[in-house]
Amino acid sequence: AQSVTQLDSHVSVSEGTPVLLRCNYSSSYSPSLFWYVQHPNKGLQLLLKYTSAATLVKGINGFEAEFKKSETSFHLTKPSAHMSDAAEYFCVVSGIYDGGYNKLIFGAGTRLAVHP
Amino acid sequence: GAGVSQSPSNKVTEKGKDVELRCDPISGHTALYWYRQSLGQGLEFLIYFQGNSAPDKSGLPSDRFSAERTGGSVSTLTIQRTQQEDSAVYLCASSALATGGGEQYFGPGTRLTVT
Repeated sequence: AQSVTQLDSHVSVSEGTPVLLRCNYSSSYSPSLFWYVQHPNKGLQLLLKYTSAATLVKGINGFEAEFKKSETSFHLTKPSAHMSDAAEYFCVVSGIYDGGYNKLIFGAGTRLAVHP
Repeated sequence: GAGVSQSPSNKVTEKGKDVELRCDPISGHTALYWYRQSLGQGLEFLIYFQGNSAPDKSGLPSDRFSAERTGGSVSTLTIQRTQQEDSAVYLCASSALATGGGEQYFGPGTRLTVT
């Protein structure tokens, strides 16, 4: 079975400082992993995805994540936070289920606040 | 191009009434998914469509919930005899491929409030 744990429900940073949002996963398979972002009253937007190619994945808006199999982690980072990064971030694991399709399992989310 | 659209964006209904939520996926996407996002429950998978068939309905919370998809495109999620615990944001997503790590593209959601 697949599962994902986001280690922080809230993260607060100052503008211009680094962002680290932590995610650990559990998977019986070689997983696909995603980070999605949800701005207030908006839909979910894909930030980046890992599908067993390069372990360091670059996404939109300067975000990147590193897949570490030994640590079962897929932490999201950004070198310098911007006010517009304030949003809820979801770590997501996907695996092949009966019927042969990808089922997304979402973490509980991390709310990122960015202060001036 | 157009993304996933959902209607209505907001719906307020009285307990016991039926509601229909609509999803228009990205053109050409064969896979369609419904999720529910509520406080305390996070994002929950409801149902998956491949074409017009639903191989996985395991996330539907009760038999008051049903969904259909026609023409391999538009999908409707119907909730009968709504209860207050049905209040949530209902999200629809589509993907070009159901396998191979295909990412899902989400609509803006329908916020359902049951009074």
